[in-house]
Amino acid sequence: DAGVIQSPRHEVTEMGQEVTLRCKPISGHNSLFWYRQTMMRGLELLIYFNNNVPIDDSGMPEDRFSAKMPNASFSTLKIQPSEPRDSAVYFCASSPGLAGNTDTQYFGPGTRLTVL
Amino acid sequence: GQQLNQSPQSMFIQEGEDVSMNCTSSSIFNTWLWYKQDPGEGPVLLIALYKAGELTSNGRLTAQFGITRKDSFLNISASIPSDVGIYFCAGQPTGTYKYIFGTGTRLKVLA
Repeated sequence: DAGVIQSPRHEVTEMGQEVTLRCKPISGHNSLFWYRQTMMRGLELLIYFNNNVPIDDSGMPEDRFSAKMPNASFSTLKIQPSEPRDSAVYFCASSPGLAGNTDTQYFGPGTRLTVL
Repeated sequence: GQQLNQSPQSMFIQEGEDVSMNCTSSSIFNTWLWYKQDPGEGPVLLIALYKAGELTSNGRLTAQFGITRKDSFLNISASIPSDVGIYFCAGQPTGTYKYIFGTGTRLKVLA
């Protein structure tokens, strides 16, 4: 079975450019999460979708960050404009659970973003 | 964001030794998860715990959901070189869907 798929695996961009990260959750999973991982702050939840609807985006750091989930098999996280402090590994995770009962989460391989 | 207190932060052990790590919180949790992350990869789920006192094994790994629901333990028996990596605990507080992640235990195994 295919796990969570993320692309690209690595992204290097210059400050001010737009960055789009992509995620395909595990088929049949109802919930999708975007995380950011840094050495200083560990794993931070950015946004959570349930049945393609954003439930909690309180972890999104700034208006420069936006996320969409147009259908059950695809989600994007966009940063515009990007800044060097956005450099991190961004993970997508999905779980089979329903809203309020998310059960276990399965992570993708991550996108390592470097903003110069 | 909020993080769990995970210890030890790092450890070097000899191949064949047993390993123990734990996570503690001031909050009561419904679920505890343990993950392993290899360099350049995402966290991989090792063990999930759903009830206080639950003891679950996965090969050489054993994890327990603390009776107080505020802690969890992971043990690795007879460590091997491929056990190297970062181990994370994650707890789901009561009444929420979010998971809070520990700061990780970096394990290095000396052959």
